[in-house]
Amino acid sequence: DTEVTQTPKHLVMGMTNKKSLKCEQHMGHRAMYWYKQKAKKPPELMFVYSYEKLSINESVPSRFSPECPNSSLLNLHLHALQPEDSALYLCASSQDPQGRGTYEQYFGPGTRLTVT
Amino acid sequence: QKEVEQNSGPLSVPEGAIASLNCTYSDRGSQSFFWYRQYSGKSPELIMFIYSNGDKEDGRFTAQLNKASQYVSLLIRDSQPSDSATYLCAVNIYTGGFKTIFGAGTRLFVKA
Repeated sequence: DTEVTQTPKHLVMGMTNKKSLKCEQHMGHRAMYWYKQKAKKPPELMFVYSYEKLSINESVPSRFSPECPNSSLLNLHLHALQPEDSALYLCASSQDPQGRGTYEQYFGPGTRLTVT
Repeated sequence: QKEVEQNSGPLSVPEGAIASLNCTYSDRGSQSFFWYRQYSGKSPELIMFIYSNGDKEDGRFTAQLNKASQYVSLLIRDSQPSDSATYLCAVNIYTGGFKTIFGAGTRLFVKA
């Protein structure tokens, strides 16, 4: 089973709202990732969690706050976003324990976020 | 020089032909190379990964890696209209630590 699930599929939020994106995997992977993808652009790495600890933060603004409650779950908390943050947010997982890109990543279906 | 470079395309091939997608990368220390397919509005789907020089075949797909030339390619044999998508090359690159970097993607159109 190579399934990564994400909820919600679509999210519309105002700039003063607080919302959360959720990701779950049951492949026993120890690395989980958040990516942001704008239209016609490749995915851009935001955060990497390795063994439930944050190992990479790609200088993401603090209005994005990741959380890894356990080895299967990954959340992205959103607060005071800007319209330019509208994008497809992708979660991925990998057997790569260090999150160093050594092994293949499996992506969830993504959350389409619109900030109004 | 970008870390992972691909021709943006679009690459147009007739149905049944071989589609050849190319990717170059900047870091000689890279060890892991991936090809993802992404349909419009969907998430990337892993189709091939390769770690060693040479060819790796899986069904209609063949990945080719040449570390000396820092070049990785994807061949799609007997192309079908359903192969029309954007193909993303991804490489683990050292930028203060290893991480996966994606190329900009090549759009492929297979004409029926």
